[in-house]
Amino acid sequence: QVQLQESGPGLVKPSQTLSLTCTVSGGSISSGSYYWSWIRQPAGKGLEWIGRIYTSGSTNYNPSLKSRVTISVDTSKNQFSLKLSSVTAADTAVYYCARGEYSSSCLDYWGQGTLVTVSS
Amino acid sequence: EIVLTQSPGTLSLSPGERATLSCRASQSVSSSYLAWYQQKPGQAPRLLIYGASSRATGIPDRFSGSGSGTDFTLTISRLEPEDFAVYYCQQWGSTFGGGTKVEIK
Repeated sequence: QVQLQESGPGLVKPSQTLSLTCTVSGGSISSGSYYWSWIRQPAGKGLEWIGRIYTSGSTNYNPSLKSRVTISVDTSKNQFSLKLSSVTAADTAVYYCARGEYSSSCLDYWGQGTLVTVSS
Repeated sequence: EIVLTQSPGTLSLSPGERATLSCRASQSVSSSYLAWYQQKPGQAPRLLIYGASSRATGIPDRFSGSGSGTDFTLTISRLEPEDFAVYYCQQWGSTFGGGTKVEIK
């Protein structure tokens, strides 16, 4: 059974960089059948797709966040990561990592989510 | 960029009733890449439907998806107490709709 677990600081100061890691267990992150995504959800609001990375290393980002987002993968640790720069209070949200199934582009496994608060 | 609009925003129904949720895209979406998710309070979203009409593993057959082009529908044939939640559509593993909350009437 594939499991994903987000980790990282729960509090980030304005203007700094938010950094999160997603650890994948129960399967290899290098499998060519999947890609790896980040999604966020502000309290009481809907889901916002942040971006994804393929096993080739290529990435797609939400145009509204593209200038501030970097997603990378570390196959040796079976992890992928999110960096979001120049954060403001508007970036406060629960951040989810998820596995995307290549042929259907659906997100079939999700982490439990981690709350990141941007505040001084 | 494709925008997904879900309607209604809130659906108030009783257990046993039929729920019909709509997802409309601003331009044509490949049916292969349209998915639906269920989210309950404090939980991560769960995949219900992929490829517009295929149920994910373990999803009861009271959930069904249909549609093509720009109009897609999620139907719950008879609402069970555990089905009251928020539902999101998504295209190409990226853009999400704004969600439909199914609440108990």
